[in-house]
Amino acid sequence: SQQGEEDPQALSIQEGENATMNCSYKTSINNLQWYRQNSGRGLVHLILIRSNEREKHSGRLRVTLDTSKKSSSLLITASRAADTASYFCATGPGLDTGRRALTFGSGTRLQVQP
Amino acid sequence: GAVVSQHPSWVICKSGTSVKIECRSLDFQATTMFWYRQFPKQSLMLMATSNEGSKATYEQGVEKDKFLINHASLTLSTLTVTSAHPEDSSFYICSASLTSGRETQYFGPGTRLLVL
Repeated sequence: SQQGEEDPQALSIQEGENATMNCSYKTSINNLQWYRQNSGRGLVHLILIRSNEREKHSGRLRVTLDTSKKSSSLLITASRAADTASYFCATGPGLDTGRRALTFGSGTRLQVQP
Repeated sequence: GAVVSQHPSWVICKSGTSVKIECRSLDFQATTMFWYRQFPKQSLMLMATSNEGSKATYEQGVEKDKFLINHASLTLSTLTVTSAHPEDSSFYICSASLTSGRETQYFGPGTRLLVL
């Protein structure tokens, strides 16, 4: 299956700074989701943005979606050391694709230095 | 929120043995469950889609006779890695969905498999 690409692959910032991660995808989508994964652990759902939405906020998270460019970004404001994790975007396929499973991007490893 | 559990959380086995991993939705009925595999520092790759009461749909390149999936009830799906080899060592994660799967999926904590 095709995967989305995320950039950067790795990001290191200081506590208090903002972190921006980008995700691009290739097929039509119903929604785009962001997940967080601490090292060696399961995934935690962060936020879902539907294909007819352009921006969504949840606490310190801000997600944008540009379906014309097939891209999304995740912004974490005022980062904390506890935000250190890998972040994945995942696309929920469009109804016309016949596919039901999420397709995950390659991930961004975020390191927040205290 | 919906909770999905996996058992065991980690397993070490000898080459040639079979390993069964359970995925349970604890507080909801999951019509569809998904099995993913994740190698170190890589993303999740879908292995198969499991529907209660019917055969699983496997992704291209995933051997259905090696990775047996049984979705016996609306709260339980099992993945059996048959005749495991060292290259099967990986992190196996399941997820469960209330509906079609295109919306939010709830992920289990994962099972780390090490085949010696």
